[in-house]
Amino acid sequence: EVQVVESGGGLVQPGGSLRLSCAASGFTFSRFWMTWVRQAPGKGLEWVAKIKQDGSEKYYVDSVRGRFTISRDNAKNSLYLQMNSLRADDTALYYCARDGFAVASDHWGQGTLVTVSS
Amino acid sequence: QSALTQPPSASGSPGQSVTISCTGTSSDVGGYNYVSWYQQHPGKAPKLLIYEVSKRPSGVPDRFSGSKSGNTASLTVSGLQAEDEADYYCSSYGGSNNVVFGGGTKLTVL
Repeated sequence: EVQVVESGGGLVQPGGSLRLSCAASGFTFSRFWMTWVRQAPGKGLEWVAKIKQDGSEKYYVDSVRGRFTISRDNAKNSLYLQMNSLRADDTALYYCARDGFAVASDHWGQGTLVTVSS
Repeated sequence: QSALTQPPSASGSPGQSVTISCTGTSSDVGGYNYVSWYQQHPGKAPKLLIYEVSKRPSGVPDRFSGSKSGNTASLTVSGLQAEDEADYYCSSYGGSNNVVFGGGTKLTVL
């Protein structure tokens, strides 16, 4: 069974940092693009970043470029999101997802909540 | 990277069909055949319903169908069932390796 499980969320002060992790199982992790999507409380989905199978290509939404870094460790079947200079508007549930099709995520985790507040 | 435009709400009675629109521009929806649709029940993760405009992943009922005309994509849910009540989001490739989502549509089954 395909599974992705996020962890690492929590409460952080503005300007702080947090590293999210996503553990993948049930599929050959190294064969798929992986994506982070976030959802602010009561709001819609927002694509955050994606990374190619071998980590050689990484892309970000404008609002996080330069502050967030997506990475992966195929040996550990893990995806990461390093978040620096966090702002209140980064508060959201962060989902890890597998891109099973072109520009489409077919398996999602349950999300990890990031709250940026003083 | 402006969000795609969806109606905030839609509704229909059991057994009826309902169509949800998703309007973008020639730089996203109109420029590529990479439109996807997701269903999200309250407190749950999104579920992929449609990819590449009109393709369904295995396990998704054929009551869900997708199409596109110009800069507007559409999701049609036929034979509405109570369990279809959820939020629906479209997404599209937005060029320059970006992805853009719609604001979401809350579907109510009357």
